[in-house]
This record gives sequence, structure tokens and C-alpha cells, in this order.
Amino acid sequence: AQKVTQAQTEISVVEKEDVTLDCVYETRDTTYYLFWYKQPPSGELVFLIRRNSFDEQNEISGRYSWNFQKSTSSFNFTITASQVVDSAVYFCALSETLTQGGSEKLVFGKGTKLTVNP
Amino acid sequence: DSGVTQTPKHLITATGQRVTLRCSPRSGDLSVYWYQQSLDQGLQFLIQYYNGEERAKGNILERFSAQQFPDLHSELNLSSLELGDSALYFCASSVGQRGYNEQFFGPGTRLTVL
Repeated sequence: AQKVTQAQTEISVVEKEDVTLDCVYETRDTTYYLFWYKQPPSGELVFLIRRNSFDEQNEISGRYSWNFQKSTSSFNFTITASQVVDSAVYFCALSETLTQGGSEKLVFGKGTKLTVNP
Repeated sequence: DSGVTQTPKHLITATGQRVTLRCSPRSGDLSVYWYQQSLDQGLQFLIQYYNGEERAKGNILERFSAQQFPDLHSELNLSSLELGDSALYFCASSVGQRGYNEQFFGPGTRLTVL
């Protein structure tokens, strides 16, 4: 079965530090999608990025960047110059094919709690 | 604000009882997903509906059931509640039917079973 491992349970940094959140996945699908979601203290899950397994280009969005490496089955997330508002739990997720012909579900990692201190 | 609404925000009930959680998707979204988030199990997919039909099923217990109505809102029914059902229940929605589409999550319903 598909699996997503976020080995870092909690990370604490000081504001303006760069921080990388690790995500390692296991899948038997040849086509799959990877995601990152943010869950701030308010509780709502916020979509950050979706990546197709055929697109290994790194992506940058402001202070956020993502490094997808198929060879190591990793999809790591870096926050540059972290801010207090980045404090949240971050989840990595992987799509899993449920049946032939197209239904899927998301498999989530356990999450990494990031605390950014002023 | 994702545009997905869930009611109620909090629910406290006793073991053996039955509750209904409600979700309204974003305008234009046809898929609704239900998830359970608990400390021990993490975030788990329960079930997906697309345009009124069940589309995909995850780790949903037989005591739980869901449906999606013609106006596209969805309800998750939890019956014969046990202490272990205490969790945060999320609803998410997306435009298409594929489970790998970008999903927009609601604020969740926190269920406490005493």
C-alpha cells in the first residue's frame, strides 16, 4: 500500500531561518500526485502545491520551494526566511489509485509541526 | 476562507448515540470528500461523492454512512458512537471527480464522544 513518511515530528526555528520539511513516499503507481497541505492553529487545511509524478522540475512560490526527486522518492518543502505566521502543521500527501479506471484517495503523512519563534 | 462550510463546529455526545455532520462544498464543486483526523490514526480518507454518487471509499466504518444530495451538500452520519470516534472530521470539495484534484477543506467538525 501507499505510504508517506514525514520523519520530522516537530521542528522549531527562529524567525528568518530557512527550514526544510522532509517527505518520503512509497507507491506502486506509475502515475501519481504529491501534495503539501498546511494546517495552521485555526485547524483548517490549506492546499499549498500539487505535483505530477512526471514533472520533476522544482517549484518556487515566494518564500516556498519544493524539491521533487523521483530517484529518492522524496518531495521536500523548504521555507526561506521563515516567519512566525508559518507556524503550523504541514502534511505531505500522495494520491493512491483505488480501482482500475480512475478513483483515487489521498494518503497523508503524520505531519510535521513547525514552530517559528520570534 | 476555502468556501467549504461545515456544521456544527463542535459536537459533544455520548456513547451509543447517532450524529449527523453537514458539509456544503464550494460553489461549482461537484465532489465532496470526508476525512477523519485523530491523534492516533492521523488524517484518514473516509469516502468521496461525485455529483450525488459514491465515487471512492476509504477506511470508513460500517457504523458510518454518507450521502450527497441534489443540491450537492453532503452529510456524514455516525451511529453507535464509541469513545474512539472522537476526532476532527473534515469535508473537502473539488471540481472534478478524480481524487488527485486539488481539494479545498472546510474548517472541520470536532466530535467529542463521552
